[in-house]
Amino acid sequence: NAGVTQTPKFRILKIGQSMTLQCTQDMNHNYMYWYRQDPGMGLKLIYYSVGAGITDKGEVPNGYNVSRSTTEDFPLRLELAAPSQTSVYFCASRRTVSSGANVLTFGAGSRLTVL
Amino acid sequence: ELKVEQNPLFLSMQEGKNYTIYCNYSTTSDRLYWYRQDPGKSLESLFVLLSNGAVKQEGRLMASLDTKARLSTLHITAAVHDLSATYFCAVDANYGGSQGNLIFGKGTKLSVKP
Repeated sequence: NAGVTQTPKFRILKIGQSMTLQCTQDMNHNYMYWYRQDPGMGLKLIYYSVGAGITDKGEVPNGYNVSRSTTEDFPLRLELAAPSQTSVYFCASRRTVSSGANVLTFGAGSRLTVL
Repeated sequence: ELKVEQNPLFLSMQEGKNYTIYCNYSTTSDRLYWYRQDPGKSLESLFVLLSNGAVKQEGRLMASLDTKARLSTLHITAAVHDLSATYFCAVDANYGGSQGNLIFGKGTKLSVKP
């Protein structure tokens, strides 16, 4: 049981390049999330998905796109990378337990640098 | 807009001392979560607090929730070096009608020194 798997772990991009961060979960969770973490700023929600075929914007969606063709996969695409997108990106999936709590399982993170 | 504020943001403690981290949030919510992040690692769930007056304890950490004051605390008892990490609180938000999206505080970086 791998949980949430992100690739790549590290990547350096040049300004204007594009790339996709991959995220896969094997827990059959409907809800999935992409957060970015900047130093001293906590985590900001970029996009989320409530199930295959359904995605929606979070707090900071500009410059990103997502898709959700299957329950397992939730890739995050950066178009025209900018230095402001230098960050650590975390993918997470969510299960709701019997008490009603929403428990997130996070991937290991992807550190992206845009130069 | 839901805001989640933690303080302090940085905390340097000596081993054996006690301290409390505070988490305030700006709108009504009865679900609060604490996560731990070790340097260069991902986030791991520590506590889930689901109602007013909820208290959870694990080892030297104890978390509590006061929904009327919109305040949660994470109390550290007799700190040890292994507790050095960044601690985040998070609150359920409601984006686009979909509940369960967590809003995180900025985190408290705890350093426990011998």
